[in-house]
Amino acid sequence: DQQVKQNSPSLSVQEGRISILNCDYTNSMFDYFLWYKKYPAEGPTFLISISSIKDKNEDGRFTVFLNKSAKHLSLHIVPSQPGDSAVYFCAASAHYKLSFGAGTTVTVRA
Amino acid sequence: GAGVSQSPSNKVTEKGKDVELRCDPISGHTALYWYRQSLGQGLEFLIYFQGNSAPDKSGLPSDRFSAERTGGSVSTLTIQRTQQEDSAVYLCASSSSSGAETQYFGPGTRLLVL
Repeated sequence: DQQVKQNSPSLSVQEGRISILNCDYTNSMFDYFLWYKKYPAEGPTFLISISSIKDKNEDGRFTVFLNKSAKHLSLHIVPSQPGDSAVYFCAASAHYKLSFGAGTTVTVRA
Repeated sequence: GAGVSQSPSNKVTEKGKDVELRCDPISGHTALYWYRQSLGQGLEFLIYFQGNSAPDKSGLPSDRFSAERTGGSVSTLTIQRTQQEDSAVYLCASSSSSGAETQYFGPGTRLLVL
C-alpha cells in the first residue's frame, strides 16, 4: 500500500530551465512533507520541507508547494543546474515515520 | 560537524549467514531510524528508536530482523539467516527529536546476499 507516489520515474530538463517534480499522497494524517536528493552510492540529502499548515516554502532555487485538498505537492527547481542531476524522493510524515515515493531521476542537460 | 555514519559501506554474504549493520547517529540526536531501499523501490521504514522509549518495530519484515540501540546512541541492525531478498541498501537516519523533524541520513550499507 504505497501512500506516497511519484508517478514520473524520470525527468530531463535543459540547464537554466525549471524542473518541476510532482508527488501525490493518500494519507490525510501526513503533517510534514520533505524532499530529499540522492546521488549514487550516497544516502539521501535533505533539500526542503513544508508543514501541512503552509502551502509554500522557498529556499534559494528550491520551492515546495503543497495542495492539501488535492493531496499533492511539487518541487520547483529554478534555474536547473548540472549538479542537480540526481534522484529526488518525496517523503511524508505522520508523527515520526517517513513514507517515501519511489523517486524521480532528474537529468539536467547542458 | 559529523553526520550519520554507517558501517560497513558494503557487505557481501552467503545465504543463511547472519549480518550486523552499524549506525552512529549525529551527536545529540535522540531519534534514530532504519530504512531499506530495494532495487528500484523507495525507502521502506524498518524501525524507530526514541530515547528510552520502546522502539517501534512495526516495519521489520520478519523475525529474522532485529535492532538495538545501546546507550541511546549507536544502533545495530541484525539480520539472521539472510535470504537473497534481503539484498538492499540499508539506511540509517537520525533527528533531534521525533515528530515533524527533519531526518538526516547516513550513506547506507549495501548488502548483497548470494
